[in-house]
Amino acid sequence: GQSLEQPSEVTAVEGAIVQINCTYQTSGFYGLSWYQQHDGGAPTFLSYNALDGLEETGRFSSFLSRSDSYGYLLLQELQMKDSASYFCAASTGGFKTIFGAGTRLFVKA
Amino acid sequence: EAGVTQFPSHSVIEKGQTVTLRCDPISGHDNLYWYRRVMGKEIKFLLHFVKESKQDESGMPNNRFLAERTGGTYSTLKVQPAELEDSGVYFCASSRGQGGYYGYTFGSGTRLTVV
Repeated sequence: GQSLEQPSEVTAVEGAIVQINCTYQTSGFYGLSWYQQHDGGAPTFLSYNALDGLEETGRFSSFLSRSDSYGYLLLQELQMKDSASYFCAASTGGFKTIFGAGTRLFVKA
Repeated sequence: EAGVTQFPSHSVIEKGQTVTLRCDPISGHDNLYWYRRVMGKEIKFLLHFVKESKQDESGMPNNRFLAERTGGTYSTLKVQPAELEDSGVYFCASSRGQGGYYGYTFGSGTRLTVV
């Protein structure tokens, strides 16, 4: 079957750097996306990697290695407001996107 | 631009009843998707509309679920009759183009509880 694996929870300290990993197993693959969701809110699009390498957007960066079926989201200079769930998602073709179960990030003071 | 709006935000119904969820996508977004998240698991694909046509409904769990998108604008998802396992958060999302590259814009979801 098709699936994405990511840790269920990560805890980090304010000001630190945290990396959320995602491995995927899909029958087709076009790219990896990341979404942020605060409790009760809408998942919000953060980034999309179609090619191998690191994409940086402010404090957030996303990495993809297609040969390893692996990607990660890197959050720098953590702030309390970054406490949320983060979902990786694989575009598998035909406008279809498969999501992981989400990683709950707790940022402590 | 206004975001994706879902109604109601919460619904509690008894097993065997009918519930209809509504989604208003961003104006001009031809692509509309329904997803569901059950008990902290993955956000699971249900179906995809392009304008008023069902492009892919491979994720619909069974024939108790019926989705429509009249006139290519808002969409409804009806569950009839509801079962306990239908409980979860139902998300609607829309996109202008291919969702992966441009990203989906999600609504805040409808939390459905079947008791």
